[in-house]
Amino acid sequence: GNSVTQMEGPVTLSEEAFLTINCTYTATGYPSLFWYVQYPGEGLQLLLKATKADDKGSNKGFEATYRKETTSFHLEKGSVQVSDSAVYFCALRPNFNKFYFGSGTKLNVKP
Amino acid sequence: DVKVTQSSRYLVKRTGEKVFLECVQDMDHENMFWYRQDPGLGLRLIYFSYDVKMKEKGDIPEGYSVSREKKERFSLILESASTNQTSMYLCASSSSGGGNYGYTFGSGTRLTVV
Repeated sequence: GNSVTQMEGPVTLSEEAFLTINCTYTATGYPSLFWYVQYPGEGLQLLLKATKADDKGSNKGFEATYRKETTSFHLEKGSVQVSDSAVYFCALRPNFNKFYFGSGTKLNVKP
Repeated sequence: DVKVTQSSRYLVKRTGEKVFLECVQDMDHENMFWYRQDPGLGLRLIYFSYDVKMKEKGDIPEGYSVSREKKERFSLILESASTNQTSMYLCASSSSGGGNYGYTFGSGTRLTVV
């Protein structure tokens, strides 16, 4: 079946620290992988995506690489800011229409 | 700018009321979805629709129904609201053009049932 597992939060970092949020998946076929971000009181916004193995998605300083051999899509950022405080969701979309989301990881960045 | 619009940001309803949550998208997307989001449980799929007048149950359809009479509009209906339906409700839409396309989400409706 299809599922996504994310590291549990909250993750608390100081400003300018390095961020990693782990995401692993199980899937049938060859899914596309996504990271979404949810700021307080808002809906989810697409942060980045990768559609095939070894692709790297990137946006706003965040990166994630689609690793088929380890079934992972870890989110990284070299230097976080207070404005990055949000909940981050990893998701996969198999070759049909439904998405599968992880449970979300809350990130708190302190000045 | 493409949009998914949910009719209300905050809603308070009484137990037993029939509640309608409306979602409209302007992207001509085929697929529309309703999720609820609860602390510690992530996003759970309630219902989805691949086309007009078409609907399929998600993971937690009990207590809910949906309507899609027009392509751009997908309504979630709570037939008789209960306190355990207090939650954040998120609508999303996507193109059906294969796995490369992401969802576009609305801003959410925070429903409180008292």
